[in-house]
Amino acid sequence: DTGVSQNPRHKITKRGQNVTFRCDPISEHNRLYWYRQTLGQGPEFLTYFQNEAQLEKSRLLSDRFSAERPKGSFSTLEIQRTEQGDSAMYLCASSLGMGDTEAFFGQGTRLTVV
Amino acid sequence: AQTVTQSQPEMSVQEAETVTLSCTYDTSESNYYLFWYKQPPSRQMILVIRQEAYKQQNATENRFSVNFQKAAKSFSLKISDSQLGDTAMYFCAYQSGTYKYIFGTGTRLKVLA
Repeated sequence: DTGVSQNPRHKITKRGQNVTFRCDPISEHNRLYWYRQTLGQGPEFLTYFQNEAQLEKSRLLSDRFSAERPKGSFSTLEIQRTEQGDSAMYLCASSLGMGDTEAFFGQGTRLTVV
Repeated sequence: AQTVTQSQPEMSVQEAETVTLSCTYDTSESNYYLFWYKQPPSRQMILVIRQEAYKQQNATENRFSVNFQKAAKSFSLKISDSQLGDTAMYFCAYQSGTYKYIFGTGTRLKVLA
């Protein structure tokens, strides 16, 4: 088991472009989370999945953001029509669920919108 | 809504000394978990220690221990015998119900040789 994997590690995009990030959780982890972290701040919750079902979305997640987790395995986070304010580190985490509360985090995808 | 507050943006400690990082939180829940996560520069966050709210005994993990004061809603982290590898951002986090974490703004700890 190699931990939570996120790709790409870095992404630079022009304002208005669409971007997609991928997260591969630890195998057999039922829960998958996306967080956003801006410089000098703690991670902010965006959304989470229990298997393939998206169970909660933050109000931070505008309609330009969409996340999927097909078949309850990897997850993608897409941002449409990117804005400079979207520049941040996007973190993915996974946990077993089933009462286990520890989440394991990936190294994140750093998005820069120019 | 639950909130987590870390009032120390930066701290430093001499190698081998002890340092305490502060965290307060606000919740109306009775069952929850509290965590300290460490984020080294350019590396992923890793769990340092966790505390179940229903347990009165303070959690310890080797050089790391917490002082959990439920009534005061306080959850501080003590690092004993600080090592250079402890240099990192430390985040206090709260969790209940849906298992999502609510993080504080972090404390940047620098261990000095």
